[in-house]
Amino acid sequence: DTGVSQNPRHKITKRGQNVTFRCDPISEHNRLYWYRQTLGQGPEFLTYFQNEAQLEKSRLLSDRFSAERPKGSFSTLEIQRTEQGDSAMYLCASPWDGSPPNEQFFGPGTRLTVL
Amino acid sequence: GDSVTQMEGPVTLSEEAFLTINCTYTATGYPSLFWYVQYPGEGLQLLLKATKADDKGSNKGFEATYRKETTSFHLEKGSVQVSDSAVYFCALSDLANFNKFYFGSGTKLNVKP
Repeated sequence: DTGVSQNPRHKITKRGQNVTFRCDPISEHNRLYWYRQTLGQGPEFLTYFQNEAQLEKSRLLSDRFSAERPKGSFSTLEIQRTEQGDSAMYLCASPWDGSPPNEQFFGPGTRLTVL
Repeated sequence: GDSVTQMEGPVTLSEEAFLTINCTYTATGYPSLFWYVQYPGEGLQLLLKATKADDKGSNKGFEATYRKETTSFHLEKGSVQVSDSAVYFCALSDLANFNKFYFGSGTKLNVKP
């Protein structure tokens, strides 16, 4: 258990539908990251929060994607008008309180399948 | 920009064989280097790390040394077990880039009894 939970674990949706994923880091560290992992590849950075502020967004994050961290604790990632190319594992990561700032602990991920 | 390149797999070894998985990196700053492991059906787990040149990270019999002169962080284990079968990811993070991670594409290790 890395202390980071994600829900749902699996999501199957039809093309064009909207989906929302949630990440809950146990320690409520001020930093939180989202990554995307496609089959056979390593995770790719999507976006980064420091407290409530979204400080960086990857070019991978098209305008159909939006992420929030309203109270500096949990975070949500929404994809609007899903496309088949959005099918991937979406990972959330955060340091733990007291851990070195360059360490990140990953949640189990949400596997999205767009039909 | 920052990037990580690691050897392609799959790598298939017999139990008790020596393992090396090569990893090289490109970074503009002074990154920390990591190896993560992903067992079948599970999430990413931190295996080991090194934060500066010549540091050696070690865990569960695995080792990797941060070589700045060759920009490498190769993973080694002297005697692999069947339970080591997994996908291994090399990664870097840099404080100058919000400590976001750059991952290699992963190397699948299969260990046969």
